[in-house]
Amino acid sequence: EAGVAQSPRYKIIEKRQSVAFWCNPISGHATLYWYQQILGQGPKLLIQFQNNGVVDDSQLPKDRFSAERLKGVDSTLKIQPAKLEDSAVYLCASTPANFPEETQYFGPGTRLLVL
Amino acid sequence: SQKIEQNSEALNIQEGKTATLTCNYTNYSPAYLQWYRQDPGRGPVFLLLIRENEKEKRKERLKVTFDTTLKQSLFHITASQPADSATYLCALVLYSSASKIIFGSGTRLSIRP
Repeated sequence: EAGVAQSPRYKIIEKRQSVAFWCNPISGHATLYWYQQILGQGPKLLIQFQNNGVVDDSQLPKDRFSAERLKGVDSTLKIQPAKLEDSAVYLCASTPANFPEETQYFGPGTRLLVL
Repeated sequence: SQKIEQNSEALNIQEGKTATLTCNYTNYSPAYLQWYRQDPGRGPVFLLLIRENEKEKRKERLKVTFDTTLKQSLFHITASQPADSATYLCALVLYSSASKIIFGSGTRLSIRP
């Protein structure tokens, strides 16, 4: 079974530029999560999708971050404009329908450095 | 305020000993508690889940306890090996239709030979 795919793996941009990350969850997983993990901290939930609808985006900085999940499959997370404090690893995860009895699966993450 | 605290940033123990990691939380009512392992440059990997009505769960050399009165979970690795060196994260799964997940900041465990 293929895992959660993310791209790119690394991205370096200057502040005020825009950037986009892509995630393809495990086939059949209805729920998709985007997390931000700053160095030395645990993952912080940014947004949660159930199919193509948003379930929770309470911690998403909506003035600069946006996310979509068209057709309920893959998803993109965008930052525009980026700030220095956005430097972090952006993790995508997906879960099957019987979560949390079944775990959530994480992708390898996209490491973003904002200069 | 709501908090999740893991006992220390780093734990260094001798191979063969039991490693014990602590996860404390305040002002949450989790339905489940999960433990994950994270290696450098990789996403977290699920290890164990324990429900609010369970006291203890075991899997091979791993054991998790959950005390909802103390608001604490302990994670034990027995007969520790250098390959167990990693960061370990606890995560609360909250009661809600959305199954919201809140992570602790992690404990970096190093097992020396």
